[in-house]
Amino acid sequence: SAVISQKPSRDICQRGTSLTIQCQVDSQVTMMFWYRQQPGQSLTLIATANQGSEATYESGFVIDKFPISRPNLTFSTLTVSNMSPEDSSIYLCSGIVGTPSGNTIYFGEGSWLTVV
Amino acid sequence: AQSVAQPEDQVNVAEGNPLTVKCTYSVSGNPYLFWYVQYPNRGLQFLLKYITGDNLVKGSYGFEAEFNKSQTSFHLKKPSALVSDSALYFCAVRDAATGGFKTIFGAGTRLFVKA
Repeated sequence: SAVISQKPSRDICQRGTSLTIQCQVDSQVTMMFWYRQQPGQSLTLIATANQGSEATYESGFVIDKFPISRPNLTFSTLTVSNMSPEDSSIYLCSGIVGTPSGNTIYFGEGSWLTVV
Repeated sequence: AQSVAQPEDQVNVAEGNPLTVKCTYSVSGNPYLFWYVQYPNRGLQFLLKYITGDNLVKGSYGFEAEFNKSQTSFHLKKPSALVSDSALYFCAVRDAATGGFKTIFGAGTRLFVKA
């Protein structure tokens, strides 16, 4: 399995501010993804973090709101910009080891954000 | 487009009894199927997966799941439930026909095991 570390693990944020979440993975991970889990709900894919280029965003998510970087194979950041209470969620960094096809996606412990 | 459904929001079972958590899926190609568990205030932990081969797959903590192509199902099972199995369970699917890198998750099923 892959080791995926995220920080911060929790934060309480003021409305209108931005917060950057960091994700460090071990060297086996090839693809990295960011998911959101809103309270009591399932996981929704925000974007695929591409090394050295712009992330690939899913429908409903835009770069201005969720800028993502992946400067190298093992590190990525997700910024939640201009936060509102609706952004209160768990943000999960994840990665796939090897080729995507049948391989397992592993998750970090999540960053639990509360916007007040 | 791929999708996955978990028809039960909650499953209640007594400790020692068998448990089943249901999952059905829809993909255009061959499915890659996964089960994850989320304990309170934790991230997701991988339990097991079906890629190809035997329809019955075994995973962590004594869980197993059966792939049924005709019913497009991948139900999670355990012969004897433990109180510590109480958690939120997610089924997930990846569609091999799309290049197979997007993983879609079901809504989740909360399992309560009563002592």
